[in-house]
Amino acid sequence: QSALTQEASVSGTVGQKVTLSCTGNNRNIGSYAVGWYQQISHGAPKTVMFGKSLPSGIPDRFSGSKSGTTASLTISGLQPEDEADYYCSTWDYSLSAQVFGGGTKLTVL
Amino acid sequence: QITLKESGPTLVKPTQTLTLTCTFSGFSLSTGAVGVGWIRQPPGKALEWLALVYWDDDKRYSPSRKNRLTITKDTSKNQVVLTMTNMDPVDTATYYCAHYNYASGSYYIDYWGQGTLVTVSS
Repeated sequence: QSALTQEASVSGTVGQKVTLSCTGNNRNIGSYAVGWYQQISHGAPKTVMFGKSLPSGIPDRFSGSKSGTTASLTISGLQPEDEADYYCSTWDYSLSAQVFGGGTKLTVL
Repeated sequence: QITLKESGPTLVKPTQTLTLTCTFSGFSLSTGAVGVGWIRQPPGKALEWLALVYWDDDKRYSPSRKNRLTITKDTSKNQVVLTMTNMDPVDTATYYCAHYNYASGSYYIDYWGQGTLVTVSS
């Protein structure tokens, strides 16, 4: 059972806006920025967002936000190449450890 | 340009100790505010964080695995080594090493290695 809770699956059509969520508690998401990682076809993960910061090379249709103990990754203008598994992660100060969500499978219809 | 590459055995027997090496380039682990960690992913399952060593040699371990894990760094070789004792078939997974950067009050992964699949079987 993962420390952070994500939707198992989300789907959208090309051009649509979709939002993936990640829920934790005050000891993790409520205290630290959240990273989002994209994994295409079981390849190596790639960082697509940290907090509200977009890593170099990631399209600006990706954006991140947080409200209380829930973080969100929004993809505006969904593209076929965005189909992937997405994981959220942050630090947990009570565990003194990094924690991950169970992942969301994003399908582009 | 930061790159990381994992190396080690592809097959280990139950009860053996696994030793994985992460060899990196494009940064130094003696530079402040960076770290290297290990994350694994069993086939068809989610990512699981294992361990992290910071630039100042501070270390953190997964609470559920810490009695089996040791992480060390060799700054001169640009390597980080993870050992996991008493391997079991449930430890079969792809093991990734990753570069951590510091921003917004915490460390986060910005670069990942390609991963190495380790199978535990007799």
